[in-house]
Amino acid sequence: DAKTTQPPSMDCAEGRAANLPCNHSTISGNEYVYWYRQIHSQGPQYIIHGLKNNETNEMASLIITEDRKSSTLILPHATLRDTAVYYCIVLTNAGKSTFGDGTTLTVKP
Amino acid sequence: DAGVIQSPRHEVTEMGQEVTLRCKPISGHNSLFWYRQTMMRGLELLIYFNNNVPIDDSGMPEDRFSAKMPNASFSTLKIQPSEPRDSAVYFCASSLTVQFFGPGTRLTVL
Repeated sequence: DAKTTQPPSMDCAEGRAANLPCNHSTISGNEYVYWYRQIHSQGPQYIIHGLKNNETNEMASLIITEDRKSSTLILPHATLRDTAVYYCIVLTNAGKSTFGDGTTLTVKP
Repeated sequence: DAGVIQSPRHEVTEMGQEVTLRCKPISGHNSLFWYRQTMMRGLELLIYFNNNVPIDDSGMPEDRFSAKMPNASFSTLKIQPSEPRDSAVYFCASSLTVQFFGPGTRLTVL
């Protein structure tokens, strides 16, 4: 599986958009980009995933560059409850996954 | 759907004892994953099953760890004998395409 690189931490003001970057320069053609978040010691929560097109759901938007070597998760209006560790991973469907250290997002009032 | 169910939620045991962690995946999912999370090593994949068959157990730390999936609705992760360094949160996840995680079992080995 391709490895990912994320900044260790980011801050965001409440109500503003949070843009979390991820580099996955060794991604293969059949590997998807997945985003999860983990709040305290709860189980990781699925957010969104995509192959090459941009995706949007009720939680977030995912922007994948044309060369697929990087992506950005966008939380359009961050709230205090969005404070969490955000993980970007790449894998084939139902394949083996490798979680890195993620980005700790802190949303501040 | 109740989601992935794990039991127990917390387990405290003494070194040398056998520990069994249990997981009920989401109905209809055909893949099941066991992870371990510690501060030092982060979230590590231990083993995963597809259609009840173990596909990759390269993440299992040593022979003290074993996992089974006797049917599509149940899996166990066993540690025998347990050691203090096994203390961690153990997560089970299941998937059809997207992995959904359970709440985890916090294991403390004294």
